[in-house]
Amino acid sequence: AQKVTQAQTEISVVEKEDVTLDCVYETRDTTYYLFWYKQPPSGELVFLIRRNSFDEQNEISGRYSWNFQKSTSSFNFTITASQVVDSAVYFCALSEIYSSASKIIFGSGTRLSIRP
Amino acid sequence: GAVVSQHPSWVICKSGTSVKIECRSLDFQATTMFWYRQFPKQSLMLMATSNEGSKATYEQGVEKDKFLINHASLTLSTLTVTSAHPEDSSFYICSAEQDRQETQYFGPGTRLLVL
Repeated sequence: AQKVTQAQTEISVVEKEDVTLDCVYETRDTTYYLFWYKQPPSGELVFLIRRNSFDEQNEISGRYSWNFQKSTSSFNFTITASQVVDSAVYFCALSEIYSSASKIIFGSGTRLSIRP
Repeated sequence: GAVVSQHPSWVICKSGTSVKIECRSLDFQATTMFWYRQFPKQSLMLMATSNEGSKATYEQGVEKDKFLINHASLTLSTLTVTSAHPEDSSFYICSAEQDRQETQYFGPGTRLLVL
């Protein structure tokens, strides 16, 4: 069975600090996608990244970076020099690549609060 | 980019009434649409998957007679909450997938409050 675990329920840091959100996943599939989404108070999901299981390269996009390690089944997300606007709930998610329906399994989310 | 809309964005209704929520893909054809439910401070849980022109596939524990899903065209899926009760109050989010592109585009969500 597929499962995504985000052990950190809530994180609060002061603005400009770096913060890492952890994500550990379980799947029997050898081919899968991993995602990160941001959900601000408005509720709308904002897509941040999709990474397939073949590509373990780390990725950086501005202040955001992602560390994918298949050996530990982790896909962690780091925000550098955090800002108040980064405050939101962040979801890590997993889906199969080759299946009849690409279901997305979401983690429980991490609520990130950035204090001024 | 691909845009998915939902209507209404929020709805308040009396217990026992039925509520219809629409999900539209505005600039692409969606062969598959997904419906999720999110209770306060919880994660998104997949309710059902619908393919255009066929019956929806419901996840375990989701009552298909209570949550009616219709995917009548490649750009529209509807979720009807029948005989709504206060415990059905939640945030309902749809997503649409373009022809096995393996990317789901999410709608902005619909907040349902049943009094």
